[in-house]
Amino acid sequence: DVKVTQSSRYLVKRTGEKVFLECVQDMDHENMFWYRQDPGLGLRLIYFSYDVKMKEKGDIPEGYSVSREKKERFSLILESASTNQTSMYLCASTTPGMSGNTIYFGEGSWLTVV
Amino acid sequence: GEDVEQSLFLSVREGDSSVINCTYTDSSSTYLYWYKQEPGAGLQLLTYIFSNMDMKQDQRLTVLLNKKDKHLSLRIADTQTGDSAIYFCAESISNFGNEKLTFGTGTRLTIIP
Repeated sequence: DVKVTQSSRYLVKRTGEKVFLECVQDMDHENMFWYRQDPGLGLRLIYFSYDVKMKEKGDIPEGYSVSREKKERFSLILESASTNQTSMYLCASTTPGMSGNTIYFGEGSWLTVV
Repeated sequence: GEDVEQSLFLSVREGDSSVINCTYTDSSSTYLYWYKQEPGAGLQLLTYIFSNMDMKQDQRLTVLLNKKDKHLSLRIADTQTGDSAIYFCAESISNFGNEKLTFGTGTRLTIIP
């Protein structure tokens, strides 16, 4: 059974803390993505990666960075968490040239910044 | 640029058909998707359609694509209480063989008993 695992489902962090959200996939996928989901705004792409050590900015990268040291792991980093980063974060992975049904999502990480 | 729009809310009586609409702006989309999200859960792929198709049917689900108007719809026949969820449409843009998804705002479907 294919899997995208987000290690933390629920986190509460203080303003100014550094936050790591981890995502691991076991499908040998090249492409990985981080989205955030907010009510009324849908899913917005933060960063994505098409290969190890490669990263590209999505639509809303400000306040975030990412790390892809290994193919299976894509980490989202909040260098200094702020209350407007309270959200649900979704990781996804897929393979290049996907046929339409080969993008897989994790179950989401709910982050509250207080 | 990419922009995908949906109505935020839809209420339907149990047993009726639900029609969720979506418009997108990028004519180079390769695939268009419908995802379902139940409370507290991640995204579940419901169905998808290749951009050169007009219609796709899968059991109770029918997807219609009007490429000229850049309009996508999802029809759920005989809507049940288990269909209550948020439904997202998404378009896929190919970038040298790598796909990137842009999502709509999501439509919250509420079933009235």
